[in-house]
Amino acid sequence: AQKITQTQPGMFVQEKEAVTLDCTYDTSDQSYGLFWYKQPSSGEMIFLIYQGSYDEQNATEGRYSLNFQKARKSANLVISASQLGDSAMYFCAMREATYQAGTALIFGKGTTLSVSS
Amino acid sequence: GAVVSQHPSRVICKSGTSVKIECRSLDFQATTMFWYRQFPKQSLMLMATSNEGSKATYEQGVEKDKFLINHASLTLSTLTVTSAHPEDSSFYICSARDPGKVDGYTFGSGTRLTVV
Repeated sequence: AQKITQTQPGMFVQEKEAVTLDCTYDTSDQSYGLFWYKQPSSGEMIFLIYQGSYDEQNATEGRYSLNFQKARKSANLVISASQLGDSAMYFCAMREATYQAGTALIFGKGTTLSVSS
Repeated sequence: GAVVSQHPSRVICKSGTSVKIECRSLDFQATTMFWYRQFPKQSLMLMATSNEGSKATYEQGVEKDKFLINHASLTLSTLTVTSAHPEDSSFYICSARDPGKVDGYTFGSGTRLTVV
């Protein structure tokens, strides 16, 4: 079974509108971390936001916020006031067992976001 | 912020030759680094976990004799694609873990390998 599920292959939004990118995850661990990365066409992975499983408040970083619903095992990314530069591929990722330095991030399949003017 | 340098960014090699890709953490010590492979418009697939001073741990289905990983110091891990074939053409990207931070994963800029 997939650990990270992103069901939207592509999303389209107009400038200045908000958009939500969906992510659900599967883990039996109590301690885990959830990440969102942006990958533009250049290929670099840009860290956007992090949510720990024990964090009680939803994470926010500027125009990015993470809608964390633990019981539903969802960690949706909300981008407010979209900009043309937001057009990219977005990946949701999870790390299980928060404080083990050796644990890799496992990624979802990604969502391609296209922002139009 | 944490920086990971990966090079080369692009490489073209002939079938049968070997290619080495370097991943270097510039401002922190990374006891663990990770190597991923990505096909166009697809996800990042974990190939192996590289631990300083010990053998790498490979994911199921990844040929350890073809993808040699060496993590000789706390700031450098290398991936060598041996006897490269056209099907090895892909985007390879490394990530270094900063153990002092819960969200401390930094990625290199990736290497686009083309085998002709």
